Amino acid sequence: ETGVTQSPTHLIKTRGQQVTLRCSSQSGHNTVSWYQQALGQGPQFIFQYYREEENGRGNFPPRFSGLQFPNYSSELNVNALELDDSALYLCASSPGRGTEAFFGQGTRLTVV
Amino acid sequence: AQTVTQSQPEMSVQEAETVTLSCTYDTSENNYYLFWYKQPPSRQMILVIRQEAYKQQNATENRFSVNFQKAAKSFSLKISDSQLGDTAMYFCAPGYGNKLVFGAGTILRVKS
Repeated sequence: ETGVTQSPTHLIKTRGQQVTLRCSSQSGHNTVSWYQQALGQGPQFIFQYYREEENGRGNFPPRFSGLQFPNYSSELNVNALELDDSALYLCASSPGRGTEAFFGQGTRLTVV
Repeated sequence: AQTVTQSQPEMSVQEAETVTLSCTYDTSENNYYLFWYKQPPSRQMILVIRQEAYKQQNATENRFSVNFQKAAKSFSLKISDSQLGDTAMYFCAPGYGNKLVFGAGTILRVKS
């Protein structure tokens, strides 16, 4: 059984650019959530996808968007990057809504 | 607003001793789960223990146990026989439907 994998591990982007982060969910999991973890803080919920539909969104602007594919892998897209977007982005998959989340190792995004 | 308070930013414990990490939360929800996650320097968020809010019996997982007081909205984690590998950031995270709400975390250092 493979766990949750995220790519890339690290990324450096320039302010104003766009970025796409990728996540492969754990086998058998149909729900994927994305979290942003700023340095020294707890993760904050961005949004969740369940069977390719968005299933809830946190307090993030529309320039944060996502997709879930038929194989339940997912992408997080961020447009018009700002310096404050620098953070660890965590993807978590679950076997269903309301169950425990299993996390990937994260993507460290640095915006300069 | 759903908030989580972890009042101990940092804690230290000697190897083989017992330590308790505290967590309080605020919610008007009735159906939810509670989780403790650990995040070592590798960044991977690892599930430590899970508690269903409708269950009165406290969850136990090997050396890890919780003291869940629903009326007081308190959810503390006890680690017995602490090991060097327990050194990590620990997050308390109530789960409401589609999202986890994380506290700011407690850094636990286990000393030899």
